[in-house]
Amino acid sequence: DTEVTQTPKHLVMGMTNKKSLKCEQHMGHRAMYWYKQKAKKPPELMFVYSYEKLSINESVPSRFSPECPNSSLLNLHLHALQPEDSALYLCASSHGPYNDAEQYFGPGTRLTVT
Amino acid sequence: DAKTTQPPSMDCAEGRAANLPCNHSTISGNEYVYWYRQIHSQGPQYIIHGLKNNETNEMASLIITEDRKSSTLILPHATLRDTAVYYCIVRVAGYGGSQGNLIFGKGTKLSVKP
Repeated sequence: DTEVTQTPKHLVMGMTNKKSLKCEQHMGHRAMYWYKQKAKKPPELMFVYSYEKLSINESVPSRFSPECPNSSLLNLHLHALQPEDSALYLCASSHGPYNDAEQYFGPGTRLTVT
Repeated sequence: DAKTTQPPSMDCAEGRAANLPCNHSTISGNEYVYWYRQIHSQGPQYIIHGLKNNETNEMASLIITEDRKSSTLILPHATLRDTAVYYCIVRVAGYGGSQGNLIFGKGTKLSVKP
């Protein structure tokens, strides 16, 4: 199984809502990533988890809160988002923290903030 | 910022070889060249990577110049399903650190036409 799954596929939320994005992989990967992709732009790295510990936070606003409850799951908790946060949120995983590892991407969650 | 330069768009006839160039003139000795692609409304997909030797797998071939300042991704027999944005990325090999992050540039939008 070389699949990364993400739920939900689409999410519409108001600026006062709290919601969570979920990512799951069963490939035994120990590194997991969140990326943000605005329309017609390339993906941008947000967070990196290595062995369930946050290792990289690319200066992401605190209204985005990642969580890695175990080696297969990665969540992104959303609170008080702004309309400009509307984007495709991509999750990825790789074998480990070594940087030559191929990253496997999920299909993404398309988020709209109203 | 991305360390690579790619043409914004290319066309290719179905069944012909697609040759996608990438310039990475400031590449360091410990940086690999990676190629990913993103089909519309999907997550990025790993294609191939290499350090200095030419590489081939079931999807594509990667030709890296001797001075490593440029490379070409070759899809030998392009199909309509190969229509996508192709990203050339350089990243450090090794363990940990932000230099190993995937930094996506603008990529090349390849359109395969019947």
